[in-house]
Amino acid sequence: DAKTTQPPSMDCAEGRAANLPCNHSTISGNEYVYWYRQIHSQGPQYIIHGLKNNETNEMASLIITEDRKSSTLILPHATLRDTAVYYCIVRVANTGNQFYFGTGTSLTVIP
Amino acid sequence: DAGVIQSPRHEVTEMGQEVTLRCKPISGHNSLFWYRQTMMRGLELLIYFNNNVPIDDSGMPEDRFSAKMPNASFSTLKIQPSEPRDSAVYFCASTEGSFTEAFFGQGTRLTVV
Repeated sequence: DAKTTQPPSMDCAEGRAANLPCNHSTISGNEYVYWYRQIHSQGPQYIIHGLKNNETNEMASLIITEDRKSSTLILPHATLRDTAVYYCIVRVANTGNQFYFGTGTSLTVIP
Repeated sequence: DAGVIQSPRHEVTEMGQEVTLRCKPISGHNSLFWYRQTMMRGLELLIYFNNNVPIDDSGMPEDRFSAKMPNASFSTLKIQPSEPRDSAVYFCASTEGSFTEAFFGQGTRLTVV
């Protein structure tokens, strides 16, 4: 039960911002939104997470809509090394620490 | 810290053999997860432990699969007997607390022939 919907694939020009959308219309008030990425044949890598406020770190920015039903991961200046599958995950709260991965978005950064 | 360590990185075995995958979580982390990844089914959560206790094993496909965590620094995933459809990449991950990020190992690529 992934609880999120993402486009299957996207392209982005190198140096431009990559904006990856995610719908999570059934999110509960105490559930966080997490983003991970998986570069080919490696383990998934944590990027960022948030509850309701926008968040920024050295890798990316996370924009969560006011109703929390969708979010956007922004890679401000995409590089070829950002080519990966990006997963948006809604974290189950209270009952444990499960991370359920959906199908993700395959981002290709084009030179 | 070396991160989550999985062994072996690659395993090729014959159908019917027993396979044991190993995971060492990051020191101090109290939750551990086992995932399986295939092209057809993506990343599937198999089981997770909290403070060495299995909390949810509903993702374990069948009785041929078993997982243990005898202490905070070691976990195993065993398949007995193995079948070709078990071929996949198996990932282990650990977290420190309830809402912290999970750190993944590099995975074990299992091929059952």
